[in-house]
Amino acid sequence: GDSVTQMEGPVTLSEEAFLTINCTYTATGYPSLFWYVQYPGEGLQLLLKATKADDKGSNKGFEATYRKETTSFHLEKGSVQVSDSAVYFCALSMKTSYDKVIFGPGTSLSVIP
Amino acid sequence: EAQVTQNPRYLITVTGKKLTVTCSQNMNHEYMSWYRQDPGLGLRQIYYSMNVEVTDKGDVPEGYKVSRKEKRNFPLILESPSPNQTSLYFCASSTHRTGVLADTQYFGPGTRLTVL
Repeated sequence: GDSVTQMEGPVTLSEEAFLTINCTYTATGYPSLFWYVQYPGEGLQLLLKATKADDKGSNKGFEATYRKETTSFHLEKGSVQVSDSAVYFCALSMKTSYDKVIFGPGTSLSVIP
Repeated sequence: EAQVTQNPRYLITVTGKKLTVTCSQNMNHEYMSWYRQDPGLGLRQIYYSMNVEVTDKGDVPEGYKVSRKEKRNFPLILESPSPNQTSLYFCASSTHRTGVLADTQYFGPGTRLTVL
């Protein structure tokens, strides 16, 4: 079945370091891909998304490119801040009878000053 | 302000005592969903609803019930809670436009449930 795999972490980085969180997916068909972020004590919120191959989603300095050939959607940021400390979820959406969303297990990121 | 609200935010209960977690959205969304979040498993869908009086099972529906009598509300009911339902629960909503993929889901703040 459809699934999302991502590095689980936890990931600990120093402020201003480069961030990559890997995400790969398995899907029959052409899903849309998402990154959601969950700050401590809060619900998930959409960070960025891409709906077709080679699309790049971007927001708040984060970027991810939909790579159909490698079935990947890796999240990157050039210079992380302490305020980026959160759990990041990769997800895919398939159009069946409704927009079923499948989430990865989440990656915890801690950024230290 | 557009939002999804859940109540209560925290709940400690005992095995077998019926409980309801409420969820309400003010965005006139057709689609609503309940998830549970467990360490290492991400979010798993419990039930979803595509509109009033239309509900269906997600991936982990056992032990849960839902209802959708009004568009804005989607309560989650645990008739006889058990310790394996201890988890963090999220309600979410989105539009449901036929033929349009990738509608953003809006999440509530979560309800942390402990069943003793």
